[in-house]
Amino acid sequence: KAGVTQTPRYLIKTRGQQVTLSCSPISGHRSVSWYQQTPGQGLQFLFEYFSETQRNKGNFPGRFSGRQFSNSRSEMNVSTLELGDSALYLCASSSLAGETGPEQYFGPGTRLTVT
Amino acid sequence: DAKTTQPTSMDCAEGRAANLPCNHSTISGNEYVYWYRQIHSQGPQYIIHGLKNNETNEMASLIITEDRKSSTLILPHATLRDTAVYYCIVSSTAGGTSYGKLTFGQGTILTVHP
Repeated sequence: KAGVTQTPRYLIKTRGQQVTLSCSPISGHRSVSWYQQTPGQGLQFLFEYFSETQRNKGNFPGRFSGRQFSNSRSEMNVSTLELGDSALYLCASSSLAGETGPEQYFGPGTRLTVT
Repeated sequence: DAKTTQPTSMDCAEGRAANLPCNHSTISGNEYVYWYRQIHSQGPQYIIHGLKNNETNEMASLIITEDRKSSTLILPHATLRDTAVYYCIVSSTAGGTSYGKLTFGQGTILTVHP
């Protein structure tokens, strides 16, 4: 099976712009989670989507949003970019494995640089 | 989710077993122990998880103490490619605020030496 793919891999934006990142989960996986990784804060959970519905959200401002499509692909959007939004954005997918899981499988990430 | 405590860094000689400890003294009954690792500039990679029994897969073994307050990840024959940050995470599968959320700490930087 193909792994989680994220596009683009690298992105440079200027302050005030908006950006959309894309994630394609492993085939058959219906849950997609997004994380932000920075040197100062480490890996932080943004939100999770399942069957096109956001089920969980981390402690990030409303400028960070996302959505999931019927094929489980997901996008996240950051509006009015700030310098502090420079980070590696990671997407992870998982299957609904009942009481034993689910483990998450991460993509390679999108490296966003805000100037 | 329960908080975990891991050593900041560890060294291991290539070919030897790497034993990475994790304390999770406030773990509750429905929380699993997960281990992930992140090799530089890549996304985290799932390694193994368990509830209360010891687990083994092709990558590693997970030993959970009987009181579930600590665990050890064992890489039986470490290689240079195992150099990474290893994260021990305790997470519930009970839904609600746990949906899709892994709470990463600072992890343990494992360096495997030739």
